[in-house]
Amino acid sequence: SQTIHQWPATLVQPVGSPLSLECTVEGTSNPNLYWYRQAAGRGLQLLFYSVGIGQISSEVPQNLSASRPQDRQFILSSKKLLLSDSGFYLCAWSVSSRGEQYFGPGTRLTVT
Amino acid sequence: DQQVKQNSPSLSVQEGRISILNCDYTNSMFDYFLWYKKYPAEGPTFLISISSIKDKNEDGRFTVFLNKSAKHLSLHIVPSQPGDSAVYFCAASPSGAGSYQLTFGKGTKLSVIP
Repeated sequence: SQTIHQWPATLVQPVGSPLSLECTVEGTSNPNLYWYRQAAGRGLQLLFYSVGIGQISSEVPQNLSASRPQDRQFILSSKKLLLSDSGFYLCAWSVSSRGEQYFGPGTRLTVT
Repeated sequence: DQQVKQNSPSLSVQEGRISILNCDYTNSMFDYFLWYKKYPAEGPTFLISISSIKDKNEDGRFTVFLNKSAKHLSLHIVPSQPGDSAVYFCAASPSGAGSYQLTFGKGTKLSVIP
């Protein structure tokens, strides 16, 4: 069966510090991968989407970037965090570009 | 502009009764709809989906109804159980090039009272 891992579970970082969140998927090959953010009191917002290694689509202009160095690894990064980057970050995968997406456990990021 | 709206932030239902969660959308290009359930500090879990070629899809206690003319869908949970207490998100995706993109509502918090 497929599983998705995210780490860390929680993170507190000062403004201006870098960020690296990692997501890995097991049990499937060539998944589509996604990064979402849920800010307080809001729905989930798609940040990045990847259909393959090195292929990243950015949905929202922001202070963040994403990379996919391996087939089942997706990394969310920032060079300098802003207060507005605080939120709950979720990685997800799907087997096709259409249909259900399956989410990881999430990372709670607090920028202070 | 919110393209997927869940106008009820919260809902309380007695155990054993029916829970009805509602969702409205504005984008006519949406043709695939999903419901997710989310517990605190966890990722959303996929519950059920429906394509626009159908008006009803059922899976155990969960049924989703789609009214395309009204741009409205609803999730029915019968009978409701305390373990159903969670935040429920409605999501939609368009046909064509943007089909990978799910647009989520803000969620409805369901509380099932024992």
